[in-house]
Amino acid sequence: DQQVKQNSPSLSVQEGRISILNCDYTNSMFDYFLWYKKYPAEGPTFLISISSIKDKNEDGRFTVFLNKSAKHLSLHIVPSQPGDSAVYFCAASGSARQLTFGSGTQLTVLP
Amino acid sequence: DARVTQTPRHKVTEMGQEVTMRCQPILGHNTVFWYRQTMMQGLELLAYFRNRAPLDDSGMPKDRFSAEMPDATLATLKIQPSEPRDSAVYFCATAWDSLETQYFGPGTRLLVL
Repeated sequence: DQQVKQNSPSLSVQEGRISILNCDYTNSMFDYFLWYKKYPAEGPTFLISISSIKDKNEDGRFTVFLNKSAKHLSLHIVPSQPGDSAVYFCAASGSARQLTFGSGTQLTVLP
Repeated sequence: DARVTQTPRHKVTEMGQEVTMRCQPILGHNTVFWYRQTMMQGLELLAYFRNRAPLDDSGMPKDRFSAEMPDATLATLKIQPSEPRDSAVYFCATAWDSLETQYFGPGTRLLVL
């Protein structure tokens, strides 16, 4: 029973274009959402987060959008750069403050 | 440069052997998480500790896995006996007081033959 789902295992985007990574969740008790980025042979690193009281959070080239009614969040990267090529994990937490992760999306930014 | 340290980085062992993985939290972080990453399941939470006390280990197979924090600078995850299905990358992550921004170690890649 996956409470956090990333339905696209991979995504390829041209350098300079927008990358959109999607994530769906089923647990309505989740109130905090995060994106982590992972390079090969390294641990995931925190990228950006959003609280359920907001619908958008921006940090440089990265923006996370939250649609609570659809239980959907997305990460936009604009413009995409080859260094952004990595696996991106969506994660969510509720009152227990434990993270539930999605299965990840491999982003490849083509030069 | 504060980082989470994990040892060993790689481990190859035979089925039935004991495996011990170690994690050194970032100084001052009082919450430690153990995750397992497999191709099929993504990142699964196995157990976590706060102030060295286990809070949740429901994600861990109890019969063969055990997690401990003998002191604030060391967390261990043991598998005894190991099985081929335990082959995965095991990550330790630490945080200050269960904040969601967890800092991950580089992982231990385990292969059980």
